[in-house]
Amino acid sequence: QQQVKQSPQSLIVQKGGISIINCAYENTAFDYFPWYQQFPGKGPALLIAIRPDVSEKKEGRFTISFNKSAKQFSLHIMDSQPGDSATYFCAARNHNAGGTSYGKLTFGQGTILTVHP
Amino acid sequence: DAGITQSPRYKITETGRQVTLMCHQTWSHSYMFWYRQDLGHGLRLIYYSAAADITDKGEVPDGYVVSRSKTENFPLTLESATRSQTSVYFCASWQRGGPEQFFGPGTRLTVL
Repeated sequence: QQQVKQSPQSLIVQKGGISIINCAYENTAFDYFPWYQQFPGKGPALLIAIRPDVSEKKEGRFTISFNKSAKQFSLHIMDSQPGDSATYFCAARNHNAGGTSYGKLTFGQGTILTVHP
Repeated sequence: DAGITQSPRYKITETGRQVTLMCHQTWSHSYMFWYRQDLGHGLRLIYYSAAADITDKGEVPDGYVVSRSKTENFPLTLESATRSQTSVYFCASWQRGGPEQFFGPGTRLTVL
């Protein structure tokens, strides 16, 4: 059962453009929403994260927009660069998960971003 | 070396063989995780462990076995490999209260 749905599956953007990746979730108990970036041949690494008490978080060219009522959040990459070409995963954590389940993240399907020079 | 390591990085095996993928972390993180990554499915949790000797099933545990006798190690065993287990496997660790899970470099497994 996929609880976090991510789109699009792939995205091609020109250098300098804006990349937008969207995620939607169903479980209102999710309380932490990270985005991971993965380069070819590497493991995913945390890029940026947000909690549901804020609507936006910005770190450099990367911004998360969060819409709690719509249960959606998105990653915006401004001034996209060829070095941003990677796979991006959204994820969510359930703060109501009891016991040992608390640390689990549910990941979206991933988006392969290609930025053309 | 500090961090989280996986071995082997690449493995080719045959259907029916037993395979063990190793994961080692040096941070003494309490939580460790095994994921498989397949195109179109993202990262799916196979098993996780909250501490030594405590393991739980994730989303896709069938055909896999884990153990955690020491905090730093979390091996994943495919008891009888099948072609559907061809995938890239990632191990991750996390300390409760920390901001992120740290991922290893992955093991690419091919089952012929």
